[in-house]
Amino acid sequence: AQKVTQAQTEISVVEKEDVTLDCVYETRDTTYYLFWYKQPPSGELVFLIRRNSFDEQNEISGRYSWNFQKSTSSFNFTITASQVVDSAVYFCALSEATPSTGANSKLTFGKGITLSVRP
Amino acid sequence: ETGVTQTPRHLVMGMTNKKSLKCEQHLGHNAMYWYKQSAKKPLELMFVYSLEERVENNSVPSRFSPECPNSSHLFLHLHTLQPEDSALYLCASSQAQNSPLHFGNGTRLTVT
Repeated sequence: AQKVTQAQTEISVVEKEDVTLDCVYETRDTTYYLFWYKQPPSGELVFLIRRNSFDEQNEISGRYSWNFQKSTSSFNFTITASQVVDSAVYFCALSEATPSTGANSKLTFGKGITLSVRP
Repeated sequence: ETGVTQTPRHLVMGMTNKKSLKCEQHLGHNAMYWYKQSAKKPLELMFVYSLEERVENNSVPSRFSPECPNSSHLFLHLHTLQPEDSALYLCASSQAQNSPLHFGNGTRLTVT
């Protein structure tokens, strides 16, 4: 069975601080996808990134960066120079895709991390 | 309009009522989903429709009944709900079942 653990439940930082959101996953499959989604106060989840298990290259997108470490089963997310608009709930998710089933049907979300960025 | 639109945004209903949640996507996607988000719990996938056919039903009680009349619209019909069904119900769509999800703003449901 697959599992996603986001041990941090709430994080509060001051604007311009860097913050790292942790995600640890469990899976028995060798082929899987990892995701991060952001849920602002308006409610809708916004897709941030998808990584497949064969691509361990870290990714940077503006102030966002992701560190994928298969050796520790982690997919951590760092926000550099945080801003008030980054305040949201952030979800890490895992999917074990099979040839006959779409990845989204096997998507497991973590419980989310509430990030508050204070001015 | 673009994106995924859900109506109503808020709904309060009694346990004997019948109501429906509506979701509409303007992205040309082929798959649509219902998720339940309860406080302090991970998102729970309820139903998946691909090309208007239900492909996933995650042991959801029969008091929740989905309907997908076409690839742009998805409904969740509610009947004799329980107070523990109070939650945020999120609709999502994706181009294919392996593509990233696009979510609506959700319907905040309160069952009294």
